[in-house]
Amino acid sequence: GAVVSQHPSRVICKSGTSVKIECRSLDFQATTMFWYRQFPKQSLMLMATSNEGSKATYEQGVEKDKFLINHASLTLSTLTVTSAHPEDSSFYICSAGGQGADQPQHFGDGTRLSIL
Amino acid sequence: QQQVKQSPQSLIVQKGGISIINCAYENTAFDYFPWYQQFPGKGPALLIAIRPDVSEKKEGRFTISFNKSAKQFSLHIMDSQPGDSATYFCAASNYGQNFVFGPGTRLSVLP
Repeated sequence: GAVVSQHPSRVICKSGTSVKIECRSLDFQATTMFWYRQFPKQSLMLMATSNEGSKATYEQGVEKDKFLINHASLTLSTLTVTSAHPEDSSFYICSAGGQGADQPQHFGDGTRLSIL
Repeated sequence: QQQVKQSPQSLIVQKGGISIINCAYENTAFDYFPWYQQFPGKGPALLIAIRPDVSEKKEGRFTISFNKSAKQFSLHIMDSQPGDSATYFCAASNYGQNFVFGPGTRLSVLP
Protein backbone atom coordinates (compact mmCIF):
# COMPACT_ATOMS: atom_id res chain seq x y z
CA GLY A 1 0.00 0.00 0.00
CA ALA A 2 0.93 3.65 -0.28
CA VAL A 3 3.45 4.91 2.22
CA VAL A 4 3.09 8.55 1.20
CA SER A 5 -0.29 10.19 0.73
CA GLN A 6 -0.70 13.45 -1.16
CA HIS A 7 -3.84 15.55 -1.27
CA PRO A 8 -5.54 16.90 -3.28
CA SER A 9 -4.84 15.01 -6.48
CA ARG A 10 -6.13 17.81 -8.67
CA VAL A 11 -6.82 21.49 -8.19
CA ILE A 12 -8.32 23.96 -10.63
CA CYS A 13 -8.56 27.54 -9.45
CA LYS A 14 -8.49 31.14 -10.52
CA SER A 15 -5.39 33.25 -10.80
CA GLY A 16 -4.50 34.94 -7.50
CA THR A 17 -5.74 32.07 -5.34
CA SER A 18 -3.46 30.40 -2.82
CA VAL A 19 -3.42 26.62 -2.92
CA LYS A 20 -2.29 24.24 -0.18
CA ILE A 21 -1.06 20.73 -0.93
CA GLU A 22 -0.61 18.18 1.85
CA CYS A 23 1.89 15.35 2.00
CA ARG A 24 1.64 12.68 4.67
CA SER A 25 3.95 9.81 5.47
CA LEU A 26 1.72 6.92 6.48
CA ASP A 27 4.04 4.18 7.70
CA PHE A 28 6.95 6.05 9.15
CA GLN A 29 8.04 9.29 10.69
CA ALA A 30 9.73 11.59 8.22
CA THR A 31 12.00 14.29 9.53
CA THR A 32 12.65 15.25 5.94
CA MET A 33 10.29 15.43 3.00
CA PHE A 34 10.90 16.65 -0.52
CA TRP A 35 8.82 18.68 -2.93
CA TYR A 36 9.24 18.29 -6.67
CA ARG A 37 7.76 19.93 -9.71
CA GLN A 38 7.37 18.03 -12.94
CA PHE A 39 6.61 19.53 -16.33
CA PRO A 40 5.06 17.35 -19.07
CA LYS A 41 7.43 14.71 -20.39
CA GLN A 42 10.24 15.93 -18.15
CA SER A 43 12.04 14.67 -15.12
CA LEU A 44 11.47 15.61 -11.51
CA MET A 45 12.80 18.99 -10.47
CA LEU A 46 13.56 19.30 -6.78
CA MET A 47 12.04 22.49 -5.42
CA ALA A 48 12.78 22.26 -1.74
CA THR A 49 13.61 20.02 1.17
CA SER A 50 11.14 20.21 4.02
CA ASN A 51 12.65 19.80 7.48
CA GLU A 52 10.49 19.02 10.48
CA GLY A 53 10.61 21.80 13.02
CA SER A 54 12.85 24.07 11.00
CA LYS A 55 12.91 26.11 7.84
CA ALA A 56 12.77 24.44 4.47
CA THR A 57 15.78 24.45 2.20
CA TYR A 58 14.97 25.79 -1.24
CA GLU A 59 16.78 24.98 -4.47
CA GLN A 60 18.29 27.78 -6.45
CA GLY A 61 15.74 29.71 -8.45
CA VAL A 62 12.74 28.64 -6.34
CA GLU A 63 10.95 31.55 -4.70
CA LYS A 64 10.51 30.79 -1.03
CA ASP A 65 7.84 33.47 -0.66
CA LYS A 66 5.92 31.95 -3.54
CA PHE A 67 6.13 28.36 -2.39
CA LEU A 68 5.63 28.23 1.36
CA ILE A 69 6.54 24.98 3.06
CA ASN A 70 5.51 23.95 6.54
CA HIS A 71 6.63 20.72 8.19
CA ALA A 72 4.95 20.94 11.56
CA SER A 73 4.92 17.25 12.41
CA LEU A 74 6.86 14.09 11.63
CA THR A 75 4.14 12.89 9.27
CA LEU A 76 2.90 16.03 7.53
CA SER A 77 4.43 18.60 5.22
CA THR A 78 2.43 21.19 3.33
CA LEU A 79 3.26 23.23 0.24
CA THR A 80 1.29 26.42 -0.29
CA VAL A 81 1.46 28.08 -3.67
CA THR A 82 0.68 31.68 -2.85
CA SER A 83 -1.14 33.99 -5.27
CA ALA A 84 -0.93 31.36 -7.98
CA HIS A 85 -0.66 32.37 -11.61
CA PRO A 86 -1.04 30.32 -14.80
CA GLU A 87 2.72 29.78 -15.01
CA ASP A 88 2.50 27.93 -11.69
CA SER A 89 0.35 25.28 -13.33
CA SER A 90 2.24 22.02 -13.06
CA PHE A 91 2.39 18.58 -11.48
CA TYR A 92 3.67 18.79 -7.91
CA ILE A 93 4.95 15.67 -6.19
CA CYS A 94 6.14 15.12 -2.65
CA SER A 95 8.31 12.35 -1.32
CA ALA A 96 9.55 11.08 2.02
CA GLY A 97 12.23 8.68 3.11
CA GLY A 98 15.62 8.30 1.50
CA GLN A 99 17.40 9.03 4.74
CA GLY A 100 20.21 6.63 5.46
CA ALA A 101 21.73 3.72 3.60
CA ASP A 102 19.52 1.73 1.23
CA GLN A 103 16.54 3.94 1.93
CA PRO A 104 14.52 4.85 -1.17
CA GLN A 105 12.37 7.88 -1.48
CA HIS A 106 8.67 7.08 -1.57
CA PHE A 107 6.52 9.39 -3.64
CA GLY A 108 2.99 10.60 -3.32
CA ASP A 109 0.67 10.38 -6.31
CA GLY A 110 1.14 14.03 -7.14
CA THR A 111 -1.12 17.06 -7.42
CA ARG A 112 -2.11 18.42 -10.79
CA LEU A 113 -2.44 22.18 -10.33
CA SER A 114 -4.21 24.17 -13.03
CA ILE A 115 -4.47 27.94 -12.66
CA LEU A 116 -6.98 29.61 -14.93
CA GLN B 1 29.20 15.98 -11.07
CA GLN B 2 25.77 15.63 -9.56
CA GLN B 3 24.20 14.78 -12.89
CA VAL B 4 22.84 11.37 -13.80
CA LYS B 5 22.62 10.73 -17.52
CA GLN B 6 20.00 8.39 -18.93
CA SER B 7 19.38 6.91 -22.35
CA PRO B 8 17.49 6.39 -24.52
CA GLN B 9 14.99 9.20 -24.14
CA SER B 10 12.28 6.96 -25.59
CA LEU B 11 12.08 3.27 -26.37
CA ILE B 12 9.64 1.15 -28.33
CA VAL B 13 9.71 -2.61 -27.78
CA GLN B 14 7.54 -5.44 -29.03
CA LYS B 15 5.66 -7.51 -26.49
CA GLY B 16 7.91 -10.26 -25.19
CA GLY B 17 11.09 -8.37 -26.03
CA ILE B 18 13.79 -7.05 -23.74
CA SER B 19 13.79 -3.38 -22.75
CA ILE B 20 17.16 -1.91 -21.79
CA ILE B 21 17.67 1.52 -20.24
CA ASN B 22 21.10 2.83 -19.40
CA CYS B 23 22.32 5.36 -16.84
CA ALA B 24 25.69 6.87 -16.03
CA TYR B 25 26.93 8.98 -13.15
CA GLU B 26 30.06 10.91 -12.17
CA ASN B 27 29.93 11.27 -8.41
CA THR B 28 31.76 8.29 -6.90
CA ALA B 29 30.19 9.10 -3.53
CA PHE B 30 26.85 7.79 -4.74
CA ASP B 31 26.10 4.54 -2.96
CA TYR B 32 22.48 3.77 -3.77
CA PHE B 33 20.90 3.44 -7.20
CA PRO B 34 17.12 2.99 -7.41
CA TRP B 35 14.90 2.79 -10.46
CA TYR B 36 11.43 4.32 -10.48
CA GLN B 37 8.43 3.63 -12.72
CA GLN B 38 5.93 6.39 -13.35
CA PHE B 39 2.55 6.07 -15.04
CA PRO B 40 0.80 9.18 -16.40
CA GLY B 41 -0.79 11.26 -13.66
CA LYS B 42 0.87 9.27 -10.90
CA GLY B 43 3.91 9.72 -8.73
CA PRO B 44 7.03 7.60 -9.34
CA ALA B 45 7.02 4.18 -7.68
CA LEU B 46 10.15 2.35 -6.60
CA LEU B 47 10.81 -0.58 -8.91
CA ILE B 48 14.16 -2.00 -7.90
CA ALA B 49 17.39 -0.71 -6.38
CA ILE B 50 21.03 -1.72 -6.08
CA ARG B 51 24.14 -0.85 -4.09
CA PRO B 52 27.57 -0.59 -5.76
CA ASP B 53 28.97 -3.65 -4.00
CA VAL B 54 26.66 -5.83 -6.11
CA SER B 55 27.02 -6.25 -9.88
CA GLU B 56 23.52 -7.50 -10.56
CA LYS B 57 20.16 -7.66 -8.86
CA LYS B 58 17.09 -9.42 -10.19
CA GLU B 59 13.49 -9.12 -9.09
CA GLY B 60 11.06 -10.98 -11.29
CA ARG B 61 11.34 -9.66 -14.83
CA PHE B 62 13.41 -6.66 -13.75
CA THR B 63 17.21 -6.78 -13.49
CA ILE B 64 19.71 -4.08 -12.63
CA SER B 65 23.24 -4.50 -13.95
CA PHE B 66 25.88 -2.37 -12.26
CA ASN B 67 29.39 -1.56 -13.51
CA LYS B 68 31.20 0.32 -10.77
CA SER B 69 34.42 0.94 -12.72
CA ALA B 70 32.51 2.43 -15.64
CA LYS B 71 30.10 4.25 -13.33
CA GLN B 72 27.18 2.89 -15.28
CA PHE B 73 24.07 0.92 -14.44
CA SER B 74 21.19 -0.35 -16.48
CA LEU B 75 17.68 -1.69 -16.14
CA HIS B 76 16.64 -4.74 -18.12
CA ILE B 77 12.98 -5.64 -18.45
CA MET B 78 12.59 -9.18 -19.68
CA ASP B 79 9.48 -10.38 -21.51
CA SER B 80 8.24 -6.80 -21.76
CA GLN B 81 4.48 -6.38 -21.54
CA PRO B 82 2.14 -3.57 -22.64
CA GLY B 83 1.50 -2.91 -18.95
CA ASP B 84 5.17 -1.99 -18.59
CA SER B 85 4.59 1.05 -20.78
CA ALA B 86 5.57 3.96 -18.54
CA THR B 87 8.34 6.43 -17.89
CA TYR B 88 11.35 5.05 -16.07
CA PHE B 89 13.75 7.14 -14.01
CA CYS B 90 17.09 6.05 -12.69
CA ALA B 91 18.40 7.81 -9.60
CA ALA B 92 21.45 7.97 -7.39
CA SER B 93 22.01 9.07 -3.84
CA ASN B 94 24.70 9.28 -1.24
CA TYR B 95 23.45 7.78 2.00
CA GLY B 96 20.13 9.49 1.49
CA GLN B 97 21.66 12.82 0.61
CA ASN B 98 21.71 14.47 -2.79
CA PHE B 99 19.06 12.34 -4.43
CA VAL B 100 19.57 12.90 -8.18
CA PHE B 101 17.24 11.67 -10.91
CA GLY B 102 17.93 10.95 -14.54
CA PRO B 103 15.83 12.69 -17.21
CA GLY B 104 13.65 9.64 -17.78
CA THR B 105 12.90 7.12 -20.53
CA ARG B 106 9.47 6.74 -22.04
CA LEU B 107 8.91 3.06 -22.74
CA SER B 108 6.18 1.87 -25.08
CA VAL B 109 5.58 -1.85 -25.37
CA LEU B 110 3.58 -2.74 -28.44
CA PRO B 111 1.01 -5.57 -28.16
